[in-house]
Amino acid sequence: GAGVSQSPRYKVTKRGQDVALRCDPISGHVSLYWYRQALGQGPEFLTYFNYEAQQDKSGLPNDRFSAERPEGSISTLTIQRTEQRDSAMYRCASSETGGNQPQHFGDGTRLSIL
Amino acid sequence: QQQVKQSPQSLIVQKGGISIINCAYENTAFDYFPWYQQFPGKGPALLIAIRPDVSEKKEGRFTISFNKSAKQFSLHIMDSQPGDSATYFCAASQGGSEKLVFGKGTKLTVNP
Repeated sequence: GAGVSQSPRYKVTKRGQDVALRCDPISGHVSLYWYRQALGQGPEFLTYFNYEAQQDKSGLPNDRFSAERPEGSISTLTIQRTEQRDSAMYRCASSETGGNQPQHFGDGTRLSIL
Repeated sequence: QQQVKQSPQSLIVQKGGISIINCAYENTAFDYFPWYQQFPGKGPALLIAIRPDVSEKKEGRFTISFNKSAKQFSLHIMDSQPGDSATYFCAASQGGSEKLVFGKGTKLTVNP
């Protein structure tokens, strides 16, 4: 596809379960970013990768959150032992080379923790 | 601490009018200031961006004005159209850091 693809679009799970959110960036894009967007707020940075290397994970809220991009393309954001406060829209973005190049966002995964 | 403050929270203008959204920042290390447009159910899309070496950038009906001394920048939408109705986010980042810091957004409604 031409854009950033995220799956699933919606995820509903019970508190305490682990969830994995997937991001397929634009083909050839070097940099990949994860953001979290609460309702009525702007996206909040979580982490980013250049190729397969995680460059900055300062935005991850706690050690229940982790991300990987093992082959420098598809990335997975994993949340362990989910809590209700984790409910939000999770967005992925990619850019050609980073360095303040335009970040192209996907349509997000809406995560609801019951 | 909110690093980028955006106002107003919501804005209603008539078709053909000028929409103005303002942002202020504290971190003087910020050197890249993009604006994103977001439609319901979609991800934010880059609209226009500016660096602090220029005071204004225009692309079609969209203009960014930048005031480095005041640490403020604004988006002007000329001849606003109903199709411009969306949420607009300002953002900022600093050299060497890839992460964008976003404002809280402005919901723009353009009435026909």
